[in-house]
Amino acid sequence: EAEVAQSPRYKITEKSQAVAFWCDPISGHATLYWYRQILGQGPELLVQFQDESVVDDSQLPKDRFSAERLKGVDSTLKIQPAELGDSAMYLCASSLGRTGELFFGEGSRLTVL
Amino acid sequence: AQSVTQLDSQVPVFEEAPVELRCNYSSSVSVYLFWYVQYPNQGLQLLLKYLSGSTLVKGINGFEAEFNKSQTSFHLRKPSVHISDTAEYFCAVRKSGNTPLVFGKGTRLSVIA
Repeated sequence: EAEVAQSPRYKITEKSQAVAFWCDPISGHATLYWYRQILGQGPELLVQFQDESVVDDSQLPKDRFSAERLKGVDSTLKIQPAELGDSAMYLCASSLGRTGELFFGEGSRLTVL
Repeated sequence: AQSVTQLDSQVPVFEEAPVELRCNYSSSVSVYLFWYVQYPNQGLQLLLKYLSGSTLVKGINGFEAEFNKSQTSFHLRKPSVHISDTAEYFCAVRKSGNTPLVFGKGTRLSVIA
């Protein structure tokens, strides 16, 4: 069964350092999402892509976060500089169409020291 | 804006007992409703979804949910839980169209032997 791939699974970094996460959605899924999940909370949307275009990045802290999906396939989420409050699970998801459910990757857990 | 309220943050239940996890949503338009399950340090897995049609939806692992439009609820039920059902459960809603999922804060189900 096709899966959403994410890497790294775990990342420990010091504050003020740069960190990047990678996501490869299920083949053929045009819509890609990045969510952030703080421990004990539900996922919150950071950015949504349709192919290579950003559809919604209203909740992305643009002073330190950036996201790209250059060829409309895989995507990278970057944080620079990382802050203590960025410690969370970063989840990537993809979907096929308007009514389709989101398929999630295993997530990337970030710890900022 | 849409929102999802999961009324119980934690639900302890004995093995083989029935369980209901409550979810209410707010939206003035037609919505699609989902329940996801998350095991520790993993991504989210779809349990079931309501798009249209029958208001009683059956999902994986013996779970089912009932859509109640008048009460704007989508409660999740299982007649007999197992130890392996111990996990975090998230209710989510999305409007029609290519919109992201909005999640509740989650309910931690703990099954006691």
